[in-house]
Amino acid sequence: QKEVEQNSGPLSVPEGAIASLNCTYSDRGSQSFFWYRQYSGKSPELIMFIYSNGDKEDGRFTAQLNKASQYVSLLIRDSQPSDSATYLCAGRGVENTGFQKLVFGTGTRLLVSP
Amino acid sequence: EAQVTQNPRYLITVTGKKLTVTCSQNMNHEYMSWYRQDPGLGLRQIYYSMNVEVTDKGDVPEGYKVSRKEKRNFPLILESPSPNQTSLYFCASGQGGAGKYEQYFGPGTRLTVT
Repeated sequence: QKEVEQNSGPLSVPEGAIASLNCTYSDRGSQSFFWYRQYSGKSPELIMFIYSNGDKEDGRFTAQLNKASQYVSLLIRDSQPSDSATYLCAGRGVENTGFQKLVFGTGTRLLVSP
Repeated sequence: EAQVTQNPRYLITVTGKKLTVTCSQNMNHEYMSWYRQDPGLGLRQIYYSMNVEVTDKGDVPEGYKVSRKEKRNFPLILESPSPNQTSLYFCASGQGGAGKYEQYFGPGTRLTVT
């Protein structure tokens, strides 16, 4: 069973701080990872994806991938109250049919206090 | 505007009364999928489709049916709904193909079965 694990939180950070969200995965064959943000009662929204080891930056967001440690993280700099949401990590697993599906973690709830 | 639409957004029904949740995308995506989201369990895939007339089971297909007669539409059918199918349902679509596994989600359908 391919799994993606996340701490459910909540992770509480003050406004302006760096929020660090973490995710581990069990399938060494997973090649790419996605971070989705989901506000309460809303649909998941793709915010970052990363395919290669190392860091990928997009505005206030930085995704980090370490394939040797099977670890993915999302850093949010200068956190704002509007960043308060649940963050879903997803990995791309390869089925024996060749079809590549996303496997989602259960999400980490982030709370940014003013 | 590129989007995935779902209807209805909210539905309350009774056990055993057949229902269909529609999903449509205007991005010409090959890949479409249905998920259900339950507290503490995260997003779980119900069925997916790689293209017209090509569908397959996800992780929790029991009690559901799908069809893909047109590329843009992927309805979810509950032939005889039961209370354990009370959940938040999301349809998603994506391009597929090498390196293109981002999925875009519809707004969700909140289903209550009494």
